[in-house]
Amino acid sequence: SQQGEEDPQALSIQEGENATMNCSYKTSINNLQWYRQNSGRGLVHLILIRSNEREKHSGRLRVTLDTSKKSSSLLITASRAADTASYFCAGGSQGNLIFGKGTKLSVKP
Amino acid sequence: NAGVTQTPKFRVLKTGQSMTLLCAQDMNHEYMYWYRQDPGMGLRLIHYSVGEGTTAKGEVPDGYNVSRLKKQNFLLGLESAAPSQTSVYFCASSLARSTDTQYFGPGTRLTVL
Repeated sequence: SQQGEEDPQALSIQEGENATMNCSYKTSINNLQWYRQNSGRGLVHLILIRSNEREKHSGRLRVTLDTSKKSSSLLITASRAADTASYFCAGGSQGNLIFGKGTKLSVKP
Repeated sequence: NAGVTQTPKFRVLKTGQSMTLLCAQDMNHEYMYWYRQDPGMGLRLIHYSVGEGTTAKGEVPDGYNVSRLKKQNFLLGLESAAPSQTSVYFCASSLARSTDTQYFGPGTRLTVL
């Protein structure tokens, strides 16, 4: 019962390029969150966007939210090798946070 | 602050054995969670707690039990381990609501033979 579903499942880019990951969700949400997971590590929170927000920025991250389409996107600009990780979206509604299966991003030097 | 810590980091069990995973947080968070992560899957919620002395079932609770005797600790127990419980287990905590930002521990890799 995944709330979020990321697309693509895997993405490989060169250092310096931009990376865009998309997330679709099923039910109404209060907020949508993006997390990063480096190999063998726990998840780290990146950014939270509330349902009444359309766009949010944090450093090289830009998140958009379209509640009419039940979708969100995460843009990482000027990617670095250190951005190599899996990225998960998670929808928060009245119940618990529900995570998608993730996008595996590989940034080649 | 250490954040969220988990012990042990790795464990190998034989089918039918029992064990307890310990999660501790030093952020005074009310909510705590146990997830499992399997290859190609996202995180699936096993059990959670909304405060000291409370626990509730998540998406995949069968075969697990939990206890939250102290606010800072959340224990996950496997009474009779099965190979299907081979997974990476993550503990997380959040301040006051389940939809708040969650802070994760480093994970416990469990193999059941």
